[in-house]
Amino acid sequence: ELKVEQNPLFLSMQEGKNYTIYCNYSTTSDRLYWYRQDPGKSLESLFVLLSNGAVKQEGRLMASLDTKARLSTLHITAAVHDLSATYFCAGYINTGTASKLTFGTGTRLQVTL
Amino acid sequence: NAGVTQTPKFQVLKTGQSMTLQCAQDMNHNSMYWYRQDPGMGLRLIYYSASEGTTDKGEVPNGYNVSRLNKREFSLRLESAAPSQTSVYFCASSEPGISVEAFFGQGTRLTVV
Repeated sequence: ELKVEQNPLFLSMQEGKNYTIYCNYSTTSDRLYWYRQDPGKSLESLFVLLSNGAVKQEGRLMASLDTKARLSTLHITAAVHDLSATYFCAGYINTGTASKLTFGTGTRLQVTL
Repeated sequence: NAGVTQTPKFQVLKTGQSMTLQCAQDMNHNSMYWYRQDPGMGLRLIYYSASEGTTDKGEVPNGYNVSRLNKREFSLRLESAAPSQTSVYFCASSEPGISVEAFFGQGTRLTVV
């Protein structure tokens, strides 16, 4: 059974600073997803990482995947207040007859002035 | 383009009452999912349906039943609601072989008193 762990659970950072959220998973995962959730809202897809060494960037966010270490990171560069949200990573397994996403517990990011 | 539509958005139930959460997607996806989200626990899979006519238990299925009525619709039923089922419920759909994206509905906030 795939288990996904994120850390930290809560992150308070100042505007302009850099930080990284870590996502470890327990078994082989076919893909790794990153989602953003604003309070009271649904989940917004940020990145889908499909293979070892994959790196994707959108604005101040960059996600990477190391399948050998079973680790994905979400790096925040020069944080701004608009990035305040909860970020989830999710591992994906396709057994051939079914596919499932398993989520981490989320990292609540608060960017302060 | 509606995507994944959930109804209702909010619901308050008394302990022991029953209700059905509705979910419909217009993307012709085969796979559909029900998750619950609780503070500090991420999203946990309740049930999923790999294709029309099939359903399988996820991580936390107790107290719930599901019906995959057709390819578009996947409903979640609480037969006898309990306060422990107070949560935000999300429906999602995906088509693993074609699109890497998993799409989420807006969520149903359920309170059981």
